[in-house]
Amino acid sequence: GQQVMQIPQYQHVQEGEDFTTYCNSSTTLSNIQWYKQRPGGHPVFLIQLVKSGEVKKQKRLTFQFGEAKKNSSLHITATQTTDVGTYFCAASNTGKLIFGQGTTLQVKP
Amino acid sequence: ETGVTQSPTHLIKTRGQQVTLRCSSQSGHNTVSWYQQALGQGPQFIFQYYREEENGRGNFPPRFSGLQFPNYSSELNVNALELDDSALYLCASSSYRDPAHEQFFGPGTRLTVL
Repeated sequence: GQQVMQIPQYQHVQEGEDFTTYCNSSTTLSNIQWYKQRPGGHPVFLIQLVKSGEVKKQKRLTFQFGEAKKNSSLHITATQTTDVGTYFCAASNTGKLIFGQGTTLQVKP
Repeated sequence: ETGVTQSPTHLIKTRGQQVTLRCSSQSGHNTVSWYQQALGQGPQFIFQYYREEENGRGNFPPRFSGLQFPNYSSELNVNALELDDSALYLCASSSYRDPAHEQFFGPGTRLTVL
């Protein structure tokens, strides 16, 4: 079945440094969603990307969808302690989500 | 907060027992999906219900079953519990009319099987 691989598994950064997580699939994705899960919390929807090469920004967060629609990335500029959590990419297929393993971000103040 | 509620919050069962978890979807949403999230892993899709019918199933055995009610709330039932069933069970509601298929997750039920 469809699988989505995400790297790195963990990332520790100093506050103010940038952070990037990558998501890869062996098959072409119709779209990809990104979620954030705070420690002890539940996944919260961040964004959906649909078009090849699409780039979307939300304040310090930049999301990209690859030209071949097989990979995606989330980049956070100048991390803050509020960015702590696990970031998941998920392939969406008529509302059924196939999640990657997630990247857990720790930010040292 | 998403408006999706789940009960109970925590649950402890022993092997072989049966459990029922409940989810109330967000107002206006007609689709409920259930996910299992083991510690340190991403959520795994169990199944989805749309208009009271199962609408897709992940790689879970038949002892995982569900229901959706006319008010779109849902139940997840797990029979013959195994130790590996210990996990956070997440319910997510969405609307088929939403082209983004954004999923609104509830707070989850933490199930521990001893």
